[in-house]
Amino acid sequence: AQSVTQLGSHVSVSEGALVLLRCNYSSSVPPYLFWYVQYPNQGLQLLLKYTTGATLVKGINGFEAEFKKSETSFHLTKPSAHMSDAAEYFCAVRNDNAGNMLTFGGGTRLMVKP
Amino acid sequence: EAGVAQSPRYKIIEKRQSVAFWCNPISGHATLYWYQQILGQGPKLLIQFQNNGVVDDSQLPKDRFSAERLKGVDSTLKIQPAKLEDSAVYLCASSYSRGSYGYTFGSGTRLTVV
Repeated sequence: AQSVTQLGSHVSVSEGALVLLRCNYSSSVPPYLFWYVQYPNQGLQLLLKYTTGATLVKGINGFEAEFKKSETSFHLTKPSAHMSDAAEYFCAVRNDNAGNMLTFGGGTRLMVKP
Repeated sequence: EAGVAQSPRYKIIEKRQSVAFWCNPISGHATLYWYQQILGQGPKLLIQFQNNGVVDDSQLPKDRFSAERLKGVDSTLKIQPAKLEDSAVYLCASSYSRGSYGYTFGSGTRLTVV
């Protein structure tokens, strides 16, 4: 079975500071990994994904994530937070044994202070 | 490209009443998913369709939930009778195929059962 753990349900940073949102996964086969962002009263928007190849993945809005197999992690980072980054972020894992089903973590709410 | 359309956006019903949600996926997307997102949690898959066939409904509470995608395009999710714990956002998503990486979500229907 696959699972996702997001450490920290709430993260608060100052505008301009580094953003680090943590994600650890469990999967019996090589996983595909995703980060989604959800703004209030909206659906989920894909930020970035890792499938194969380069382990450092760049996404939209200046976000990037690094797949570390040895640590079973896929942490999301952004060098400098912007007020517009305030949202809920979800890490998700998929493996082909699960029929393309995405399993989501519990989410991390990012707050950005001026 | 038009996104995934869902209606209604909001619905308030009393417990034991019935309710239905509608989803129209992106044109040409064969795979359609319904997710339930309870406040403060990550989305949980309820059912997955491939064209008009059910691929996975193992997490669907079949005693009260039902879903159909008769013509392989739009889909309806029904709850009858509703319970208080069904209060959640119901998200519809679609992808081109089961092998697609990531999918596109609609804005969701927020259900409140009182």
